[in-house]
Amino acid sequence: AQSVTQLDSHVSVSEGTPVLLRCNYSSSYSPSLFWYVQHPNKGLQLLLKYTSAATLVKGINGFEAEFKKSETSFHLTKPSAHMSDAAEYFCVVSDGANFGNEKLTFGTGTRLTIIP
Amino acid sequence: DGGITQSPKYLFRKEGQNVTLSCEQNLNHDAMYWYRQDPGQGLRLIYYSQIVNDFQKGDIAEGYSVSREKKESFPLTVTSAQKNPTAFYLCASSISPFNYGYTFGSGTRLTVV
Repeated sequence: AQSVTQLDSHVSVSEGTPVLLRCNYSSSYSPSLFWYVQHPNKGLQLLLKYTSAATLVKGINGFEAEFKKSETSFHLTKPSAHMSDAAEYFCVVSDGANFGNEKLTFGTGTRLTIIP
Repeated sequence: DGGITQSPKYLFRKEGQNVTLSCEQNLNHDAMYWYRQDPGQGLRLIYYSQIVNDFQKGDIAEGYSVSREKKESFPLTVTSAQKNPTAFYLCASSISPFNYGYTFGSGTRLTVV
């Protein structure tokens, strides 16, 4: 079984300061992990993904995430927040256990607020 | 450009009515999914389809129905049996969720009036 926990429902940072959105996962197999972003009343857009290659993954808009198997974590970071980063962020896991019938499991989301 | 199109963007339904939400993709993806999103609750899976003419219930299928007669199309019907249908509905598709994740549509906001 797979699951994902986003440790913060809401994060506020000042513009120009670093962003850290925390995610822990549980998986029976070697997982694939994703971060998606959702702006208000929009669909979800893929930020980045980890699929058993390099553990430090770079995504769009300056975001990156590090897969740490020993800590079962996949935290999302950005060195300097921009006003346009304000959105809802979802951590997602797929462990591929049901080959051919895979689904993604979504976290409950973290709302990121940027303070001018 | 390839993508997923959901229509309409906004939909209003009277109590007791059935409504159908459209989802069309031109990505040649085999699998398609419907999610419901409520404030503070993340995404909950309603139905999914791995292949044409086959679909499976998700976690909250009661009060909903789907069909998959064509690879490109996966419409969702919200029936009168759904007690609290007001929500944001998202359609997604994938070629391989494990390796590529999902591609999402822009959503339909359904409101019961």
